[in-house]
Amino acid sequence: DAGVTQSPTHLIKTRGQQVTLRCSPISGHKSVSWYQQVLGQGPQFIFQYYEKEERGRGNFPDRFSARQFPNYSSELNVNALLLGDSALYLCASTIWGGNYNEQFFGPGTRLTVL
Amino acid sequence: GDSVTQMEGPVTLSEEAFLTINCTYTATGYPSLFWYVQYPGEGLQLLLKATKADDKGSNKGFEATYRKETTSFHLEKGSVQVSDSAVYFCARATNTGNQFYFGTGTSLTVIP
Repeated sequence: DAGVTQSPTHLIKTRGQQVTLRCSPISGHKSVSWYQQVLGQGPQFIFQYYEKEERGRGNFPDRFSARQFPNYSSELNVNALLLGDSALYLCASTIWGGNYNEQFFGPGTRLTVL
Repeated sequence: GDSVTQMEGPVTLSEEAFLTINCTYTATGYPSLFWYVQYPGEGLQLLLKATKADDKGSNKGFEATYRKETTSFHLEKGSVQVSDSAVYFCARATNTGNQFYFGTGTSLTVIP
């Protein structure tokens, strides 16, 4: 079975631009979460979506937005990019419900803002 | 607030040495706890988990026990290998399970 997939693998943008990152969860998983991992630090939670609805949001500015599609794939959008947005963006999928909250991570998208 | 604190690295060990990476958490209630491993250039892989107090998670020779008395989930391995070189992250889930809090990561290098 395919794991969590993300695209693109790498991305280079300039300040002020906008970027869209994509994620496809594991088949059967209905929830997707997004994390930002700055070099040398642990991942920081950005969003979680389930059944196309936002179920959690971390401490990120409104420049960050996301959505989930009927097939459970997801997009993360970041507007007005800043140098500090340079990071590895990780997508994680999980089966929703009960105590089974294990998250499976994709390989990430490396975003560089110049 | 809710957080995860883990031992700072980097850690360098010789092959077959004993490994301990400390992790403590703060939370209300008893969240599920996890150790993830990240190899260079890759995403995070689940190493082991424990969902309730006194549970012991284990995988590939690694172990961690959920200690509610000390709010800890220390990672141990009796004999490390060169292939264990990676960054290890301790994490806890929120009680609703809708987000994870990660520690800052501990880089481990095992030398032959």
